[in-house]
Amino acid sequence: DVKVTQSSRYLVKRTGEKVFLECVQDMDHENMFWYRQDPGLGLRLIYFSYDVKMKEKGDIPEGYSVSREKKERFSLILESASTNQTSMYLCASSYDSNQPQHFGDGTRLSIL
Amino acid sequence: DQQVKQNSPSLSVQEGRISILNCDYTNSMFDYFLWYKKYPAEGPTFLISISSIKDKNEDGRFTVFLNKSAKHLSLHIVPSQPGDSAVYFCAARVSGNTPLVFGKGTRLSVIA
Repeated sequence: DVKVTQSSRYLVKRTGEKVFLECVQDMDHENMFWYRQDPGLGLRLIYFSYDVKMKEKGDIPEGYSVSREKKERFSLILESASTNQTSMYLCASSYDSNQPQHFGDGTRLSIL
Repeated sequence: DQQVKQNSPSLSVQEGRISILNCDYTNSMFDYFLWYKKYPAEGPTFLISISSIKDKNEDGRFTVFLNKSAKHLSLHIVPSQPGDSAVYFCAARVSGNTPLVFGKGTRLSVIA
């Protein structure tokens, strides 16, 4: 079974802090994704990556950056956290675009 | 502009009856469609998919129907069980290595 592991289930940070959300997958997947889920808005794509050191902006990249130094790890960075970034963050991976994405259990991030 | 629309935010169904979840899309270039199920505090899990060359795909109690001329997708669950209570997301993808586009989700409640 594919395992996508997000480093924290719950995280509380302060406005202005730099926040790192980590995601690791164990199936040698090429593709990795970061989403946020908000009530009434569904899943919105922040950034994605199809290869190591490669990244592409999704629908809502503002205020975020990503890092993919190794194939199995995809990190989401909030450069200067703001209260409107309080959300559930979901990481996903897939072998290729013809295969379904597998999701981690999410990180519920609160910015105070 | 929403390319994938789930117009019903919620649906209640009695146990044992059929649940029908609907999804409309606007992009005629979509060629692969998926349904995901999400329980609270967990990541979405892949349920079933369908390619645009088919009009039906079945997996146990779950059947997905695709009507390309109407740009409409539906998920049928028969018979519905209380454990099916979750949020269901419809997703679609243009051919090639492109990310999924998700709808906003429909919350299904199956009442015993």
